[in-house]
Amino acid sequence: AQSVAQPEDQVNVAEGNPLTVKCTYSVSGNPYLFWYVQYPNRGLQFLLKYITGDNLVKGSYGFEAEFNKSQTSFHLKKPSALVSDSALYFCAVRGSNYKYIFGTGTRLKVLA
Amino acid sequence: DAGVIQSPRHEVTEMGQEVTLRCKPISGHDYLFWYRQTMMRGLELLIYFNNNVPIDDSGMPEDRFSAKMPNASFSTLKIQPSEPRDSAVYFCASSLRGGGNIQYFGAGTRLSVL
Repeated sequence: AQSVAQPEDQVNVAEGNPLTVKCTYSVSGNPYLFWYVQYPNRGLQFLLKYITGDNLVKGSYGFEAEFNKSQTSFHLKKPSALVSDSALYFCAVRGSNYKYIFGTGTRLKVLA
Repeated sequence: DAGVIQSPRHEVTEMGQEVTLRCKPISGHDYLFWYRQTMMRGLELLIYFNNNVPIDDSGMPEDRFSAKMPNASFSTLKIQPSEPRDSAVYFCASSLRGGGNIQYFGAGTRLSVL
């Protein structure tokens, strides 16, 4: 069965420091992996995706993610965090039959 | 395009009442998803449609929940009768097969059942 795990409920980082939000997955076949962000009282917004190609994927707002097949991970990264990056981040995998499985979410708090 | 449009944005009702949530997907999208978000359970997929046909409704919690998609531009999620434990934010999302597999979410409907 397909699954996604986000091991950290919350990540705190100082503004200007690099950030990492972790995600591991389990899926049969080639994974379709995604990161979404949710700001308060808003729907989820697409950040980036990995389907095939380079293991380092670049997305919106300076975010990037590294696909690691051997570790079945797809961690979200940003070289320099902004206070405005504070939000809830979801990792997702597209499983069979076009069904999406979302992780439990990680709350990112960037401290000024 | 205006994006995925959900209505109402907020709904407050009393236990036992019927609730209908509405969604207009992005024009041309062929997949539509209904999710429920709560603090306790996170984001749960309730049901999804492909070309207006329900594909997987295994996430629908009970017979009190039903969803329809009468045409490509409209879907409803109905709860009858509603219960306090149905209180949550309900999201609709749409996507296009071959469109990068990206889901586009509406702003959600915050449902409070008293």
